[in-house]
Amino acid sequence: LAKTTQPISMDSYEGQEVNITCSHNNIATNDYITWYQQFPSQGPRFIIQGYKTKVTNEVASLFIPADRKSSTLSLPRVSLSDTAVYYCLVGGGYQKVTFGIGTKLQVIP
Amino acid sequence: DGGITQSPKYLFRKEGQNVTLSCEQNLNHDAMYWYRQDPGQGLRLIYYSQIVNDFQKGDIAEGYSVSREKKESFPLTVTSAQKNPTAFYLCASSQGQGAVYEQYFGPGTRLTVT
Repeated sequence: LAKTTQPISMDSYEGQEVNITCSHNNIATNDYITWYQQFPSQGPRFIIQGYKTKVTNEVASLFIPADRKSSTLSLPRVSLSDTAVYYCLVGGGYQKVTFGIGTKLQVIP
Repeated sequence: DGGITQSPKYLFRKEGQNVTLSCEQNLNHDAMYWYRQDPGQGLRLIYYSQIVNDFQKGDIAEGYSVSREKKESFPLTVTSAQKNPTAFYLCASSQGQGAVYEQYFGPGTRLTVT
């Protein structure tokens, strides 16, 4: 299983772009990178998934360099409602899923 | 509405009692999971099931038991052998088993044992 490392916490002001980087040096060829968002007392919610290069949806963008040893979740113009914990998962099919501690993002007014 | 239901939302038990947490999904997903979350911590995997009548231990299975007799249901029993059962319990399901498949989570059950 690929081990992931991400910052424990981050602060950002409202309206700024936030980039959260996840390191996964031993990512396997068949592994995908997936990000989830969790609000207090709720289950995590899927945000975005990618394999290589860049993926964008209505919520976020995911940047993956060619060596795939890291990835960056980009949240454009954050608001107070983006305050949450963000988890980076790396893995393929039929493997145990590991969420880790995640990155606690605090958006400041 | 498709989704995952967990009941109850809050559960209180006395130490030494077994308690069963319910998890039901109507998404027709093959895989189901149970996680435990302690305050300020991430999710830790208790048990997971790839298919009916099959399940595997996660990272912290001791003191817990599960069954998967129906595709829609994956109940978790917290036994008296679990040393620190007070926690937030989350159930999830996905189309297949593994991180590549999007997981859908229930609202969680907050268990307090005194």
